[in-house]
Amino acid sequence: QKEVEQDPGPLSVPEGAIVSLNCTYSNSAFQYFMWYRQYSRKGPELLMYTYSSGNKEDGRFTAQVDKSSKYISLFIRDSQPSDSATYLCAMSVYTGGFKTIFGAGTRLFVKA
Amino acid sequence: DAGVTQSPTHLIKTRGQQVTLRCSPKSGHDTVSWYQQALGQGPQFIFQYYEEEERQRGNFPDRFSGHQFPNYSSELNVNALLLGDSALYLCASSLEGDSSYEQYFGPGTRLTVT
Repeated sequence: QKEVEQDPGPLSVPEGAIVSLNCTYSNSAFQYFMWYRQYSRKGPELLMYTYSSGNKEDGRFTAQVDKSSKYISLFIRDSQPSDSATYLCAMSVYTGGFKTIFGAGTRLFVKA
Repeated sequence: DAGVTQSPTHLIKTRGQQVTLRCSPKSGHDTVSWYQQALGQGPQFIFQYYEEEERQRGNFPDRFSGHQFPNYSSELNVNALLLGDSALYLCASSLEGDSSYEQYFGPGTRLTVT
């Protein structure tokens, strides 16, 4: 079993839709939970990070963490064609330095 | 503010050869991590350098080695290349401390092994 599971999609939605992206994990030692966005042929870009269970909002993006269920989500409101990218969840644990484990990434297509 | 830079952008090597990839961290960062990203997969952690030493290592063979220089830049070396080493190699930098989980990635080096 992988430490982090993420549905690779692809996920296709119309412009303006609410997008829900999810990951599950097995290691209860994970402390920080991140979402990265990766455009084709580019490096990942940090979108949001959270530390505790609960919600964190930044503009059209909301990150949600449920540690009891080992489940994290990213919601994108009013999705735009420019949001079309691969979204990677990532989780970090401190082991004498932060070690980060990534999900496989979900490919999102937002149609105009 | 200079972000993370990597060189070269693309590289084609033959099986059995050796390769060196380079990374300059974001200005002010002192920690460098290397990742391998195969097509359609998430980045896989190779190792992390801090204070010129390898601090952590993922599940990669000894053919993968690295170095960090006093100016915090870093190199990734891969010996005896295999076809399966073809991937996007990503460098990420961070600042040691409470927020060192925040990593900033470079654009990557795309390695093709034929």
